[in-house]
Amino acid sequence: NAGVMQNPRHLVRRRGQEARLRCSPMKGHSHVYWYRQLPEEGLKFMVYLQKENIIDESGMPKERFSAEFPKEGPSILRIQQVVRGDSAAYFCASSPQGGGNSPLHFGNGTRLTVT
Amino acid sequence: GDSVTQMEGPVTLSEEAFLTINCTYTATGYPSLFWYVQYPGEGLQLLLKATKADDKGSNKGFEATYRKETTSFHLEKGSVQVSDSAVYFCALTYNNNDMRFGAGTRLTVKP
Repeated sequence: NAGVMQNPRHLVRRRGQEARLRCSPMKGHSHVYWYRQLPEEGLKFMVYLQKENIIDESGMPKERFSAEFPKEGPSILRIQQVVRGDSAAYFCASSPQGGGNSPLHFGNGTRLTVT
Repeated sequence: GDSVTQMEGPVTLSEEAFLTINCTYTATGYPSLFWYVQYPGEGLQLLLKATKADDKGSNKGFEATYRKETTSFHLEKGSVQVSDSAVYFCALTYNNNDMRFGAGTRLTVKP
């Protein structure tokens, strides 16, 4: 019973390149969340998606960041033209349903380093 | 907006000491409250939760009680072990589809 799978585990990009982070939710989970964790800080919500729909993207920067969760395949967080400030750990979480009583199951994260 | 405030770390204890990590929240209604734990190099794992006032969540010797009157959800353990060394996050979610996390408290337990 695989948990939330994220890849790659570590990603190094030069300034100006694109970063693609993948997340496969737990089996049976149709709700996906992306969070960013800066060093020595808590997690900051970025975006919440269901299959083929973005439900809440209030935490996403307005430029360069996008997310999708297609009908088939993993959820993708895409960062275009990366800058050093994008260096962080990006965590994906999934749940079987939304709302307050459904705990999130987290992946092990992708650690993005921008050089 | 809704938010969570945790006591600042780091916290360093000796094995078998008593642990308290304070957490208070601000919310417009009645959120569900959670404690998550993050071990080095890993994602967050749910430790315990409480969904309404006066509920007590418990797991692996950890406990936290949902106190509406003090808007708190303090984490406690009577006797910590070296293996409890991790970062602990208090969180709430309130019908808005995203979970709000505190900044985390790093706990180090020494033998």
